[in-house]
Amino acid sequence: GAVVSQHPSRVICKSGTSVKIECRSLDFQATTMFWYRQFPKQSLMLMATSNEGSKATYEQGVEKDKFLINHASLTLSTLTVTSAHPEDSSFYICSAVPGLAGGETQYFGPGTRLLVL
Amino acid sequence: AQKITQTQPGMFVQEKEAVTLDCTYDTSDPSYGLFWYKQPSSGEMIFLIYQGSYDQQNATEGRYSLNFQKARKSANLVISASQLGDSAMYFCAMRGPFGGSNYKLTFGKGTLLTVNP
Repeated sequence: GAVVSQHPSRVICKSGTSVKIECRSLDFQATTMFWYRQFPKQSLMLMATSNEGSKATYEQGVEKDKFLINHASLTLSTLTVTSAHPEDSSFYICSAVPGLAGGETQYFGPGTRLLVL
Repeated sequence: AQKITQTQPGMFVQEKEAVTLDCTYDTSDPSYGLFWYKQPSSGEMIFLIYQGSYDQQNATEGRYSLNFQKARKSANLVISASQLGDSAMYFCAMRGPFGGSNYKLTFGKGTLLTVNP
């Protein structure tokens, strides 16, 4: 149980294009999902908290117009990197908390490696 | 503010031996949760074990146990009978109290464990 998927697993795009990453909870519903960014050999950096049916909450320093988050249902959150540039190249990973009234553990997707040329 | 400290950038262990990965934390909240995650080179974050701040006993999950010393604010991960597949990055993380934005996790910098045959 508690499986989270991400799609795509790897994407290469040209500078200036937009890229959408999907995060799905496969066997549970999640009111809350999180999006992280991880640079090589570093820890995870929280970008934003995604809540179903409401606007995402962004961490300080994260451009909300650059990283659009939509949590359209209790099993799907999407992250769109708009007008991507080489500095946006990174490993993006999402997590979800099972349950509608909060829970203990975040379960992570397998991550998406983004390379912007 | 919460803080997680992992002082061991890298650790080596012989196959079949036990290894302890250190984690200390700092928080002023009386209610919190501590997690350990494993990140293999593939990038996925695998949940290993959880300890609640009010739990009386140390958490155990198979070969994983959490040595929780509340007064010392430490939550070390013990892996017994190491296997080659245990080679990975290990992250200690803390979650704040229930409610609002406090589902967020604070991660340590990680410890890279290498299991030698």
